[in-house]
Amino acid sequence: DTEVTQTPKHLVMGMTNKKSLKCEQHMGHRAMYWYKQKAKKPPELMFVYSYEKLSINESVPSRFSPECPNSSLLNLHLHALQPEDSALYLCASSQDIGQGGSYEQYFGPGTRLTVT
Amino acid sequence: GENVEQHPSTLSVQEGDSAVIKCTYSDSASNYFPWYKQELGKGPQLIIDIRSNVGEKKDQRIAVTLNKTAKHFSLHITETQPEDSAVYFCAATLDSGAGSYQLTFGKGTKLSVIP
Repeated sequence: DTEVTQTPKHLVMGMTNKKSLKCEQHMGHRAMYWYKQKAKKPPELMFVYSYEKLSINESVPSRFSPECPNSSLLNLHLHALQPEDSALYLCASSQDIGQGGSYEQYFGPGTRLTVT
Repeated sequence: GENVEQHPSTLSVQEGDSAVIKCTYSDSASNYFPWYKQELGKGPQLIIDIRSNVGEKKDQRIAVTLNKTAKHFSLHITETQPEDSAVYFCAATLDSGAGSYQLTFGKGTKLSVIP
């Protein structure tokens, strides 16, 4: 099973709302990633968690707040977003080479976010 | 940081013909090169990959070649079918340490297979 699930599939929120995106994997992967993808562009890395610790933050504005409650779950908390934050938000996971894994990153289907 | 260039940005082929997409990367420390296929409204799907110690890899109609010296790699799709129509992304991977890996994507190639 190489499935990464994301909820919700679609989200529309106002600029004053607070919402959360959720990502889950049960492959035993210890690295999880958030990407942002605008239309007709490649995914852009936002955050990386490795062994439940934030290891990379690609200078993402503080209105995006990641959380990794356990090794299977990854959340992205959203607050006071701007219309330009509208995009497809993708979650991915990979296993540590040192733990018998490979470099492969498996992506979820994404959450289509619209900020009004 | 790593920079990945991908060409062409769009590619139209007749069904049954071959398609080739080329990428170059800048950081010689990159050691793993996946190719993703993304259909409309879906997340990227890994279709084939190659490690830096391998020159070529094939999986049915799909093959990838890597020239580590020249820092370029290519995707080859033979006997194309309409269901191959999608956006294809190449990527280069740097080991971030601590068990995670940093992907840098090319800008993508929109492949259209004409029946």
